[in-house]
Amino acid sequence: QITLKESGPTLVKPTQTLTLTCTFSGFSLRSTGVGVGWIRQPPGKALEWLALIYWDDDKRYRPSLKSRLTIIKDTSNNQVVLTMTNMDPVDTATYYCAHTHTGGYYFDYWGQGTLVTVSS
Amino acid sequence: DIQMTQSPSSLSASVGDRVTITCRASQSINNYLNWYQQKSGKAPKLLLYVASTLQSGVPSRFSGSGFGTDFTLTISSLQPEDSATYYCQQSYSTPYTFGQGTNLEIK
Repeated sequence: QITLKESGPTLVKPTQTLTLTCTFSGFSLRSTGVGVGWIRQPPGKALEWLALIYWDDDKRYRPSLKSRLTIIKDTSNNQVVLTMTNMDPVDTATYYCAHTHTGGYYFDYWGQGTLVTVSS
Repeated sequence: DIQMTQSPSSLSASVGDRVTITCRASQSINNYLNWYQQKSGKAPKLLLYVASTLQSGVPSRFSGSGFGTDFTLTISSLQPEDSATYYCQQSYSTPYTFGQGTNLEIK
C-alpha cells in the first residue's frame, strides 16, 4: 500500500533554511504520471499548496513562494526533499507531503504531517 | 490564482440529516474539483475527485456534483464520525488552491 512520511526539524530560527524529506513506499517516482506534492497548514488555518514534482522532473511552485522553495526527487531512495529559505514565524505550520498523479491531479495519499515552528 | 470559496464556514447538524456544502471557483475549472475531510489533528483524507467520483473506501452517503464554477458536497445521512472540517480543492491549474474549509459539527 502507499505510505508517505515527512521528516525534518520541528524548530527552526527565523532566516534559517528548512529542509523537509518525504520518504514514501508503495509507488515509484519513475512511473509515468506519478507526482509528490507538499501542502502546509498553519495552526487553525486552511490548507495551502506549496510545490510538486512529477516523475519526469517537471516541477511546480506556488508563485508567491517560488523564490524560496526548491523541490527535488531522489528516485533511488524513494524520497522527495523540499527546502524553504529565509524562514519566518508566519511559516509555522504542519507540512504534509502527498501522492498525486496526472490522471486527475488530486492528492489521494497523505503523510501524517510534521509541525514546524519558526521561533528564535 | 483561482480562488475557492466555500459556504458555509461552519454548520451544525443532527445525525441523520442531509448536509450540503458548496464550493465556488473564481473561474471555470471544468470538473477538476476535489473534496477532502480532515479530522482534528489528522491529515486530510480524499473523499471525492473530479467533482463526483467517490474515492475507494469512502461511504456512499458522500456524493459530489458540479461543473465549471459551482460544486456541492452532500452527505445524505449524517453520521457521528462525519464531524470534521471539509475542504474543496481545484486541480485545474497550479497553484492548486483550497477553500477555506467548512467545520461540520454534530449536534
